[in-house]
Amino acid sequence: EAGVAQSPRYKIIEKRQSVAFWCNPISGHATLYWYQQILGQGPKLLIQFQNNGVVDDSQLPKDRFSAERLKGVDSTLKIQPAKLEDSAVYLCASSLDVQGFSYEQYFGPGTRLTVT
Amino acid sequence: QQQVKQSPQSLIVQKGGISIINCAYENTAFDYFPWYQQFPGKGPALLIAIRPDVSEKKEGRFTISFNKSAKQFSLHIMDSQPGDSATYFCAASLGGSNYKLTFGKGTLLTVNP
Repeated sequence: EAGVAQSPRYKIIEKRQSVAFWCNPISGHATLYWYQQILGQGPKLLIQFQNNGVVDDSQLPKDRFSAERLKGVDSTLKIQPAKLEDSAVYLCASSLDVQGFSYEQYFGPGTRLTVT
Repeated sequence: QQQVKQSPQSLIVQKGGISIINCAYENTAFDYFPWYQQFPGKGPALLIAIRPDVSEKKEGRFTISFNKSAKQFSLHIMDSQPGDSATYFCAASLGGSNYKLTFGKGTLLTVNP
């Protein structure tokens, strides 16, 4: 079974530029998550989708971050404009909904973003 | 505020020894407690998880001990191997319709040969 795919793996941009990350979850997984992992810390949830609807985006800096999940499969996360403090690894995860329970989250390899 | 506090920040163990990582949580509504293992350049991978209705779960060399009254849980790695060297994260989730994981800050485990 293929895992969660993410691209690009690495990205370097200057502050105030924009950047987009792509995620393809495990086939059949209804729930998709984007996490931000700053060096030396645990991942922090940015946004959670259930199919193509948003379940939780309470920690998403909506003035600069946006995300969408068209057709309930792939997802993109965008940052515009980027700030230095956005330097982090952006992780995508997915989980399978089975009768309302989907505890196990499977993570992709992440995209390492460096903002200079 | 939902928090999960993890200790120690780093741990060095000799091959064959026991590695113990501890976590404490505040929100008694948490009902799912996974541990993740992360190697450099990789995403976190689920190692083992427990629900609060049991006090211990064992899978191979990995054991979770759960103390509901103390709001603490720990990961024990028996017969630690150099290949276990990685960063370990504890996490907690409310469950229900929101499976958002709240992670600890991580423990860097080094197992010396």
